[in-house]
Formats: sequence, structure tokens, C-alpha cells
Amino acid sequence: EPEVTQTPSHQVTQMGQEVILRCVPISNHLYFYWYRQILGQKVEFLVSFYNNEISEKSEIFDDQFSVERPDGSNFTLKIRSTKLEDSAMYFCASRWTGLKLDEQYFGPGTRLTVT
Amino acid sequence: GDSVTQMEGPVTLSEEAFLTINCTYTATGYPSLFWYVQYPGEGLQLLLKATKADDKGSNKGFEATYRKETTSFHLEKGSVQVSDSAVYFCALSGGYGGSQGNLIFGKGTKLSVKP
Repeated sequence: EPEVTQTPSHQVTQMGQEVILRCVPISNHLYFYWYRQILGQKVEFLVSFYNNEISEKSEIFDDQFSVERPDGSNFTLKIRSTKLEDSAMYFCASRWTGLKLDEQYFGPGTRLTVT
Repeated sequence: GDSVTQMEGPVTLSEEAFLTINCTYTATGYPSLFWYVQYPGEGLQLLLKATKADDKGSNKGFEATYRKETTSFHLEKGSVQVSDSAVYFCALSGGYGGSQGNLIFGKGTKLSVKP
């Protein structure tokens, strides 16, 4: 069964450093998402991406964040200058269409620890 | 804006007990409703979904019915097992048809089932 993959599974970085989290969505999917989950808290939407551009973003997704689909398979989330409060589990998700009844498939997540 | 409210956890049950996790939502339009499950150390998996009023989603013995009149989507299982121990998230998407479908999650309810 096709699945969403994410690398690395765990990333440790120092405050102020840039990190890139990588995701490989399911191959025929067209809509891509990033969510984050701070430890013990709810999963929060960051950004959605379609047709090579951001279609929606939350207030969390400020200028420190960017997303890119550099080739036909990868979907990346970049944090330019990490802060302690960026420590969280980051989930990538994809879906085939943008219709509300279409399921999103989640990757296993990348745990980001900022020290 | 749209939101999801879940009952606070943690919930601790004995094996074979009946489970209810309450979920209510606020949304404009006609959202789809979901329950996701997160097992320890893993990512989010779709457990069940319902896309319109009075639909019942079911999977692995879990059920939830989309109640528009009470804006609820409570999760139930008649007889829980130790393997059901996980965090359960209620979520919605697509308050308006044709939206990009980002998910809005509740805070999650941790379920522990004792033998």
C-alpha cells in the first residue's frame, strides 16, 4: 500500500540554525500539507500546497517557514532560523484531491528538537 | 473560525469495557468529520470518517455518527482491548465545499486500557 514517508525521523539542531524536513507524498496525490504537534498538545495545521504554490497557511507559518516541491516527488519544509518553540513533531500529509471527503494520508513524522 | 472540542483525558478503562469519547464541532457549511488514532511512537492514522449528516463511520469495532443537530461526532466502541491504547483525535475539514481541506483537530484524548 502506498504511504507517505518522512526523513529524518529525528532532527536535533541548535537555536538559530536552518533545518529542512523532507517528505515524499504518495505519488499520484496533488495536495500536500504540513502539520505540527508540540509535545502533549493538539495537531496544528501549518500550510497547504497545490499546483506548486501555497494555497493556505496558518498564523503559525510566518516568514521563518517555507515550503518547496523541488522535484516531482519531494515536498520540503524549511525553517530558516529555528527557535526553541519550534521543537515539535512535524507531520506531512497528502491527498489526491482537495475535496473535503477525500482522505489525507499522514507520514510518520519528524521529531524536531531545538536546543 | 471552525473548531473541534474533545473530552479531556486521559481515559483509563479495563479490557472489554465500553468506550465513549465525546467530540463536538463548530463549523460553517458542511464539514467532513474524522477520527484519527496515534499509537505510541507513531504517526496519525485515519480510523473512520463521515462526510454528511447521519452518516455512520466505522472501523475496527469503532463507530461514530455525524449528528448535525447536536454538532457532534462521538467515538464509541463496545469492548475495548489493550491494543486500543492510543491517543484519539477528532478532526474536521471542509466547512465550505471545495476548500483545500486542511484538517482542524481537537486536543486529543489519551486512552489507556488495562488487562
